[in-house]
Amino acid sequence: AQSVTQPDIHITVSEGASLELRCNYSYGATPYLFWYVQSPGQGLQLLLKYFSGDTLVQGIKGFEAEFKRSQSSFNLRKPSVHWSDAAEYFCAAGPRRGSTLGRLYFGRGTQLTVWP
Amino acid sequence: NAGVTQTPKFQVLKTGQSMTLQCAQDMNHEYMSWYRQDPGMGLRLIHYSVGAGITDQGEVPNGYNVSRSTTEDFPLRLLSAAPSQTSVYFCASRVNRGVGLSDEQYFGPGTRLTVT
Repeated sequence: AQSVTQPDIHITVSEGASLELRCNYSYGATPYLFWYVQSPGQGLQLLLKYFSGDTLVQGIKGFEAEFKRSQSSFNLRKPSVHWSDAAEYFCAAGPRRGSTLGRLYFGRGTQLTVWP
Repeated sequence: NAGVTQTPKFQVLKTGQSMTLQCAQDMNHEYMSWYRQDPGMGLRLIHYSVGAGITDQGEVPNGYNVSRSTTEDFPLRLLSAAPSQTSVYFCASRVNRGVGLSDEQYFGPGTRLTVT
């Protein structure tokens, strides 16, 4: 069955420090991959997505993610975290074909706290 | 372009009451879906629709009904609310239902539902 795992429930970093949020997927074939961010009381905003091609994907707000097929991973990174990055981050995967085309499978989320 | 809109933003129901959560999009998207978000669970798919007149179940469909009479609207009905349905509900839409690059889903701002 398709699944997305975010191993870290909560991460705390200092402002200006680097950040890496982990995401692993379990699929029969490489899915489409996404990272979303949710600020408190808000909806989900797309940070970046991977469809094909270059395995290092640039997104908004200075985020990037690297797709590693051998590790079934799509980790999100940022070189220097800002206090405004404090939010919950969700990794999601969607099939490229088949009966479940169009559906998204979400990880459980990683809550990011930023210390000043 | 309003994007994906949801009403109401907040709702409190008593056990056994019924209600409809409204969702509308003005982007002419074929694919629409409903998710619920619970702490530590990420987002889980309730129902989805690939076009007007076509709906299908997601991961957690029990207790919910949907219909899709127009491209723009995708209401979610709770026929007899239960405390287990206390959650935040998100509606989303997507531009294509076929294989392609435009797989980004756009999310509404959410409806926070409490069932007492």
